[in-house]
Amino acid sequence: GAGVSQSPSNKVTEKGKDVELRCDPISGHTALYWYRQSLGQGLEFLIYFQGNSAPDKSGLPSDRFSAERTGGSVSTLTIQRTQQEDSAVYLCASSSDRDRGGNEQFFGPGTRLTVL
Amino acid sequence: LAKTTQPISMDSYEGQEVNITCSHNNIATNDYITWYQQFPSQGPRFIIQGYKTKVTNEVASLFIPADRKSSTLSLPRVSLSDTAVYYCLVGAAGRRALTFGSGTRLQVQP
Repeated sequence: GAGVSQSPSNKVTEKGKDVELRCDPISGHTALYWYRQSLGQGLEFLIYFQGNSAPDKSGLPSDRFSAERTGGSVSTLTIQRTQQEDSAVYLCASSSDRDRGGNEQFFGPGTRLTVL
Repeated sequence: LAKTTQPISMDSYEGQEVNITCSHNNIATNDYITWYQQFPSQGPRFIIQGYKTKVTNEVASLFIPADRKSSTLSLPRVSLSDTAVYYCLVGAAGRRALTFGSGTRLQVQP
């Protein structure tokens, strides 16, 4: 498909385990973002990748969270030693250089993470 | 990033026009105004973006007064499928992370 894809769609894990969430952005999009959304809340920014620049990690809530983007395409968000408060929907988005306003992001369907 | 204020919820009926107003008093000169729509269990979807005056696309219209301190998203003749949360965002041009508030929950009744 032509949209942003994320896997897995659902992840249930036990407290203390590590998890990896994957995002495949739209082909050719240089910018990639990770957000998380708790039930009934707005989105919380986590991390932003733009081309080959150093990522903006200012939204990561703790050092248990990290993300990589390989080859300017696929990204993996890793949460180490998961806690119950990490339970949320993790959303990935990508955007194109051709967006004049710079605010049109294309979101994936999200990964629902449940930490027991 | 400029802070935005919008109603928490709105109710409407099928076939009516819905206008959702967002306040952004501290908008900067190079900020754009963007609206997203989010259905349950889905990621947000871009609806419309503008800088000034009026922008219209196949989904909605966006009205921005001259002072740009507010904006109004207009949805013509809503249907049940327009029931969603609508987010107003303000940010400078350039690809950057967006700040989402709590949005406006629109409920369309038959």
